Amino acid sequence: GAVVSQHPSWVICKSGTSVKIECRSLDFQATTMFWYRQFPKQSLMLMATSNEGSKATYEQGVEKDKFLINHASLTLSTLTVTSAHPEDSSFYICSASLGANVLTFGAGSRLTVL
Amino acid sequence: EDQVTQSPEALRLQEGESSSLNCSYTVSGLRGLFWYRQDPGKGPEFLFTLYSAGEEKEKERLKATLTKKESFLHITAPKPEDSATYLCAVQTRGNTGKLIFGQGTTLQVKP
Repeated sequence: GAVVSQHPSWVICKSGTSVKIECRSLDFQATTMFWYRQFPKQSLMLMATSNEGSKATYEQGVEKDKFLINHASLTLSTLTVTSAHPEDSSFYICSASLGANVLTFGAGSRLTVL
Repeated sequence: EDQVTQSPEALRLQEGESSSLNCSYTVSGLRGLFWYRQDPGKGPEFLFTLYSAGEEKEKERLKATLTKKESFLHITAPKPEDSATYLCAVQTRGNTGKLIFGQGTTLQVKP
């Protein structure tokens, strides 16, 4: 149980384009999802908390207009990287909360911006 | 400021050579401490959650312990398949699920 699926697992795009990454909870409903970013050989940095039916809460220093988060249902949250640039290239990972505890992470989505 | 520090950054062991990974934390109020395993190019895989000092949990060759200031992940007689990055994270009181991660310890077990 408690499986989180991310799609796509990897994506390459041109600078200036937008990319959408999906995070789905497959066998449970997640009222809260979290989006993390991980640079090579570094740990996970929380970008934002996504709450179903309400606006996401962004961490300090994360641009809301660049990283658009939508949590339209209890099983789906999306992260859209708008007008992507090479410095946005990273490994993006989501996790879903069953309640008070975060238990499960997705497999991650590797974004490369050319 | 809430902070999590893991040591060492990297650890090389021979197969069967037991060792421990350290996770030191300073938080305003600990709700839970989590250990994850991460393989290259993949998301973290949940291992343990510890909630109070003195608590211990085991899974195969891994054992996690918790004190008021740190946690240890003990690896007994490791095998090459235990090679991975081990991440420690804390959840603070008042935060519904938000985790603060340490930098991780990359473990390599040689046959």
